[in-house]
Amino acid sequence: EAQVTQNPRYLITVTGKKLTVTCSQNMNHEYMSWYRQDPGLGLRQIYYSMNVEVTDKGDVPEGYKVSRKEKRNFPLILESPSPNQTSLYFCASSFRGLAASTDTQYFGPGTRLTVL
Amino acid sequence: AQTVTQSQPEMSVQEAETVTLSCTYDTSESNYYLFWYKQPPSRQMILVIRQEAYKQQNATENRFSVNFQKAAKSFSLKISDSQLGDTAMYFCAFMKLTTGNQFYFGTGTSLTVIP
Repeated sequence: EAQVTQNPRYLITVTGKKLTVTCSQNMNHEYMSWYRQDPGLGLRQIYYSMNVEVTDKGDVPEGYKVSRKEKRNFPLILESPSPNQTSLYFCASSFRGLAASTDTQYFGPGTRLTVL
Repeated sequence: AQTVTQSQPEMSVQEAETVTLSCTYDTSESNYYLFWYKQPPSRQMILVIRQEAYKQQNATENRFSVNFQKAAKSFSLKISDSQLGDTAMYFCAFMKLTTGNQFYFGTGTSLTVIP
């Protein structure tokens, strides 16, 4: 089954404690992306990656890091989480960034992060 | 910077009726894509419809169609024969193609279909 998986689904942590949210896709997609969703703000793109070892900043990259060492994985790293990073996080992937009319962006189930 | 505006935070429609969700965007790009996504209570994001900016013909997907007005930078979603399963949050999104495929989402419209 084609899917994007995220782990963990729920996480409560404390300020300053480094954490990683994993994202993995099994569709051999080149394009992967991270978003955060906040009430009243919609989804905002954090980082995206067009392919292995290629990453770019989205709209709100501050406080986040990503890496793309393998095609299937795109972890989101919070080196020193702060309460303003409490949010719902989505990972997404698509074949080539939706430039092809047959392409579509698959979203993971979301990770609810709370930073105390 | 690109911005996407959805001016209707909440809407409701009677089952089987038609409803239109509005979306405007601001960009200096000439080549881009527009999307409508649906987010039901499960929080999953589901692609509803897409529109390439270079295409003048409005996209349609079964009961879903768009009214794309490039000059006005408007991209509304029409849902015909509304069904209870259409109850969800709907997000309009813009993707620019220069310097990578960066995405911008609107703040969403919460649609409730009333039986």
